[in-house]
Amino acid sequence: RKEVEQDPGPFNVPEGATVAFNCTYSNSASQSFFWYRQDCRKEPKLLMSVYSSGNEDGRFTAQLNRASQYISLLIRDSKLSDSATYLCVVGGGGSQGNLIFGKGTKLSVKP
Amino acid sequence: NAGVTQTPKFQVLKTGQSMTLQCAQDMNHNSMYWYRQDPGMGLRLIYYSASEGTTDKGEVPNGYNVSRLNKREFSLRLESAAPSQTSVYFCASSQRAHSGYGYTFGSGTRLTVV
Repeated sequence: RKEVEQDPGPFNVPEGATVAFNCTYSNSASQSFFWYRQDCRKEPKLLMSVYSSGNEDGRFTAQLNRASQYISLLIRDSKLSDSATYLCVVGGGGSQGNLIFGKGTKLSVKP
Repeated sequence: NAGVTQTPKFQVLKTGQSMTLQCAQDMNHNSMYWYRQDPGMGLRLIYYSASEGTTDKGEVPNGYNVSRLNKREFSLRLESAAPSQTSVYFCASSQRAHSGYGYTFGSGTRLTVV
């Protein structure tokens, strides 16, 4: 089983739609969770951390289910500028404790 | 407010040539990392330095060496480049390793080995 798994997409949605991405991780000892955003031919950038209680940042909501080892990201009222690849990132549980990056889910928001 | 700076941004090498990728951060971070990103493979950790004076292998260290020159700088060296090392290389830094701190990435180096 891969350490961090995501549906690669692409997700093609119209502007204004709500879209959800899911991610599963294999190491139950993982302690830190993030969503990163990566634009085409750019570096990954931290979008938000994910907490057990769930957290929201504007149109973005992240949820963590430790029992199911599952992380989600919900984007409401999608904008054209949300088009990017979203990376699920998990850390703190491996022998090195470094962050493990999923391969990403590609989102394309159309007018 | 530079963050993480990588040089060069682009490079073409012939098989067997050597080169060093440079990385510097101005955020007073303790930990630094080198990743490569290939289509369909995601980000893979090459080497990391948890703190000044230490370096450790990541997932794909073969064919690479690193030097943590000081707290700010972490370089990646390809001693004898191979076509399989064609990739986009990202340097990153974080406050500390083995913790809940996210990483800040540089803008990347696009390397082609012919």
